[in-house]
Amino acid sequence: NAGVTQTPKFRILKIGQSMTLQCTQDMNHNYMYWYRQDPGMGLKLIYYSVGAGITDKGEVPNGYNVSRSTTEDFPLRLELAAPSQTSVYFCASEGGEQYFGPGTRLTVT
Amino acid sequence: DQQVKQNSPSLSVQEGRISILNCDYTNSMFDYFLWYKKYPAEGPTFLISISSIKDKNEDGRFTVFLNKSAKHLSLHIVPSQPGDSAVYFCAAPSGSARQLTFGSGTQLTVLP
Repeated sequence: NAGVTQTPKFRILKIGQSMTLQCTQDMNHNYMYWYRQDPGMGLKLIYYSVGAGITDKGEVPNGYNVSRSTTEDFPLRLELAAPSQTSVYFCASEGGEQYFGPGTRLTVT
Repeated sequence: DQQVKQNSPSLSVQEGRISILNCDYTNSMFDYFLWYKKYPAEGPTFLISISSIKDKNEDGRFTVFLNKSAKHLSLHIVPSQPGDSAVYFCAAPSGSARQLTFGSGTQLTVLP
């Protein structure tokens, strides 16, 4: 059981570039989430999904998109990256409690 | 509007002593609370939880206390160990998908 895996671990983007953060879980959880964590702050919810084909916005969705074509995968897409999106991104899945991936550290310059 | 607040960004404690981390909340609808622990360059990991029908939950060295009237919970670690040095987040689930609302975290440093 790998749990929740995220790729890449680190990425530097130029302003205006796009990228997809990958997230996969092997626990057959229906609920999945994307959070971002800025320095000195708690985690804020970007998007979540309650099952394949169903997604919804969280607290800070602007500048992001998601899809959920399978139970296992929940990629997060950044279009037109901006410096304000510099953050650490965590994916999680829920099965009684939330299990988090190791995070992706993204810098936009 | 911060619904879950951790007002102490950092705490230093001597090894063997008690660590007390505090958390306040404003939303009376919260009925379950969790504490997560986070090491650098890792994702948060679940530590301990408490339901609002209880006022205490204990798991080994970790105890969480809930004071509903004060909308306050605290995490006690006894005895503290250097390996406990991490950022601790309190969180509460809300919404139809049980999404978590997090506090801003407290960096605990346990000094040997």
